[in-house]
Amino acid sequence: KQEVTQIPAALSVPEGENLVLNCSFTDSAIYNLQWFRQDPGKGLTSLLLIQSSQREQTSGRLNASLDKSSGRSTLYIAASQPGDSATYLCAVGSSNTGKLIFGQGTTLQVKP
Amino acid sequence: DGGITQSPKYLFRKEGQNVTLSCEQNLNHDAMYWYRQDPGQGLRLIYYSQIVNDFQKGDIAEGYSVSREKKESFPLTVTSAQKNPTAFYLCASSAINTGELFFGEGSRLTVL
Repeated sequence: KQEVTQIPAALSVPEGENLVLNCSFTDSAIYNLQWFRQDPGKGLTSLLLIQSSQREQTSGRLNASLDKSSGRSTLYIAASQPGDSATYLCAVGSSNTGKLIFGQGTTLQVKP
Repeated sequence: DGGITQSPKYLFRKEGQNVTLSCEQNLNHDAMYWYRQDPGQGLRLIYYSQIVNDFQKGDIAEGYSVSREKKESFPLTVTSAQKNPTAFYLCASSAINTGELFFGEGSRLTVL
């Protein structure tokens, strides 16, 4: 059974810092991995999608990497800003079940 | 603008009543999903549909029902059989070719 874990559950950093959010999964049979952002009381916004054949994707200050063999993905945020404060979730598309399995998220606070 | 529209944003229900949450998308996506989000539990899949007139149970389908009569619409009914319906409900859709998931803004249901 695929399990997705995000550590730490919460993170607080000063503005301007570069930071890394982690996502690990137990089954390497995946078809994609997606990172989302969620603001309080809102829906999820798609940030980056990595297909299983890809190693990384970049969008602006965000870079996501995927290492299937080790069951890990990282989301790198460069030069963090207070507006980056939100909960970040990763979701893994399982090749075995065809379903997307979500981690519980990392809540990020960027202090001015 | 292309996107997913959920309504209502907030809904209050008395015990024993059925309520229906609306989800409409104009992204021309084939697949649509309903998730439930509870604090500390992450997102859990209720129902999903990959094509009109067909849908499958997710991990927590008991007490819920859906229909998919049109490609654009995937309403969710929370029945009186759902024992703990107070939650944040999220509708999503995806294109079959990429698998990228897009979410609506959510509907918060409170049972009084």
